[in-house]
Amino acid sequence: GAVVSQHPSRVICKSGTSVKIECRSLDFQATTMFWYRQFPKQSLMLMATSNEGSKATYEQGVEKDKFLINHASLTLSTLTVTSAHPEDSSFYICSALSGEREQYFGPGTRLTVT
Amino acid sequence: GQNIDQPTEMTATEGAIVQINCTYQTSGFNGLFWYQQHAGEAPTFLSYNVLDGLEEKGRFSSFLSRSKGYSYLLLKELQMKDSASYLCAVLDSNYQLIWGAGTKLIIKP
Repeated sequence: GAVVSQHPSRVICKSGTSVKIECRSLDFQATTMFWYRQFPKQSLMLMATSNEGSKATYEQGVEKDKFLINHASLTLSTLTVTSAHPEDSSFYICSALSGEREQYFGPGTRLTVT
Repeated sequence: GQNIDQPTEMTATEGAIVQINCTYQTSGFNGLFWYQQHAGEAPTFLSYNVLDGLEEKGRFSSFLSRSKGYSYLLLKELQMKDSASYLCAVLDSNYQLIWGAGTKLIIKP
């Protein structure tokens, strides 16, 4: 099946710094990628939809200036958490859409902001 | 509004069968997914149904009834490693995934 990778898998950063998370579709091209975050014991929450070559579409309540998304190619989308704060600590997961329906998830990135 | 309902928690015995139900009300329908998620890990894809009926894949089967807005995931010959959360998600008319809150499945020896 299709494979999606994320890097890094875990990151610890200090409050006020920025962190970049990469999401790659390894064996297929993905025009659309999604970014989710998950708090402990809660379901996934869609943050934004990333479309190759255009601006990302953010869900209500998600700050686009804080969570910068760049979908520069058909196999790579990046999420940059700018000026991170402890409340941004979470599990960030990306997924890539193969065709119109099948969604494949990356393994996730656990961000801890100290 | 859009809504996905599934039980919060279920308990079953190793070797037994368990059925996890999911009902949905969404704006449009382009398929229903079941995902498995172990604690601290990303969800992994289990099944996808877009037509009515039963899809069988090894020990796991998924059923869909679009007219009833209903699906279930059936797990047979339960193993301890099946202890996880099972997420039901529907792809709406905009191809956005609408997620249920997940069902935590506890397997007892």
